[in-house]
Amino acid sequence: GEQVEQRPPHLSVREGDSAIIICTYTDSATAYFSWYKQEAGAGLQLLMSVLSNVDRKEEQGLTVLLNKKDKRLSLNLTAAHPGDSAVYFCAVRGNMGYKLTFGTGTSLLVDP
Amino acid sequence: EAGVTQSPRYAVLQEGQAVSFWCDPISGHDTLYWYQQPRDQGPQLLVYFRDEAVIDNSQLPSDRFSAVRPKGTNSTLKIQSAKQGDTATYLCASRRQGRDQAPLFGEGTRLSVL
Repeated sequence: GEQVEQRPPHLSVREGDSAIIICTYTDSATAYFSWYKQEAGAGLQLLMSVLSNVDRKEEQGLTVLLNKKDKRLSLNLTAAHPGDSAVYFCAVRGNMGYKLTFGTGTSLLVDP
Repeated sequence: EAGVTQSPRYAVLQEGQAVSFWCDPISGHDTLYWYQQPRDQGPQLLVYFRDEAVIDNSQLPSDRFSAVRPKGTNSTLKIQSAKQGDTATYLCASRRQGRDQAPLFGEGTRLSVL
């Protein structure tokens, strides 16, 4: 089945810096890619999703890049602020069915 | 639009006790998921439904876990005889039909088995 690796597991940046999180996946038929944010004690908040025909998507200070050749997905938070401190998960879905497979998570700390 | 609602928010059990978790998905969402998230790990799929039908329950420990969605709306996940290894957050998510739709999650139920 699909395997998703996420790195780094922990990331600390200063306010205003960029933070980049990367996921790699194994199934070339993967069709749909999402990023979620999880604050302490809360559920998962959907940040952004892209279909496999999209290479780049930007929304509200977030940039998602998809490199299908290398099977790599990244999330770039430009100008991070302390409110961005949380755990971030990538999630991928194949072309058949609706099962979402999650990465292992990145704990982001933004220092003021 | 109301989000995915889960109850209870917290549960504390002794080993061997039973517990049920309840999920009310977003209105109009035909797909419903139950995920288990152990502490400091990513969510892992237990089961998901399309309407009232189980689509994938291959990761559901069938000897002690069961999940139903009888009318294709609300869903209940039950653990018959809890073990310490079941300590985790149980997340429910729902999704609208369409290939560009992502699941939306509830706040989860945090279970501690002593």
